Amino acid sequence: GQQLNQSPQSMFIQEGEDVSMNCTSSSIFNTWLWYKQEPGEGPVLLIALYKAGELTSNGRLTAQFGITRKDSFLNISASIPSDVGIYFCAGHYYGGSQGNLIFGKGTKLSVKP
Amino acid sequence: NAGVTQTPKFQVLKTGQSMTLQCAQDMNHEYMSWYRQDPGMGLRLIHYSVGAGITDQGEVPNGYNVSRSTTEDFPLRLLSAAPSQTSVYFCASSYRAGRNTIYFGEGSWLTVV
Repeated sequence: GQQLNQSPQSMFIQEGEDVSMNCTSSSIFNTWLWYKQEPGEGPVLLIALYKAGELTSNGRLTAQFGITRKDSFLNISASIPSDVGIYFCAGHYYGGSQGNLIFGKGTKLSVKP
Repeated sequence: NAGVTQTPKFQVLKTGQSMTLQCAQDMNHEYMSWYRQDPGMGLRLIHYSVGAGITDQGEVPNGYNVSRSTTEDFPLRLLSAAPSQTSVYFCASSYRAGRNTIYFGEGSWLTVV
């Protein structure tokens, strides 16, 4: 099946640092979504991207839909302790069922005050 | 606002037992799905439904059954539980499949002994 390669797997950063994570695939994607999951809860949507090249911000978060449609990145600026959690990329790949949203394996973010 | 409601929150089963995880949404969403989340594996799609009476398999459907007799409910049945089905299960829904925000339930922690 289709796969999303998300990196890095984990990050340990100091409060105030910027963070960058990305997802890549060998397949073309129609949508890219970024979710955050906190312990004991379900994932919550942060940013949705629908067009190649699209750059979207949500507060300190910025995500881009890669021009090739095979990748996306998420940046977090000036990290704070409440940014801790697991960040997932997800998407619908071209030619796949619109019901089939697939996820990367996640980036676990730890922020040291 | 209830959103996506999953029950039970926690369950312990013996190998070979059957059970049903319940999922209900009150947002009149057409699309509903079930994911399982295992350490290091991200979220993997089990089954999904794009409307009442319509279901389809995801990435890891074996050992699970679903039905969608109403728009609101999408139960997931484990036919004969196995230790490999120990996982956290998330139900999710969106207005339609594809380019709509997907909302997740809070998760159901299942242990099969």
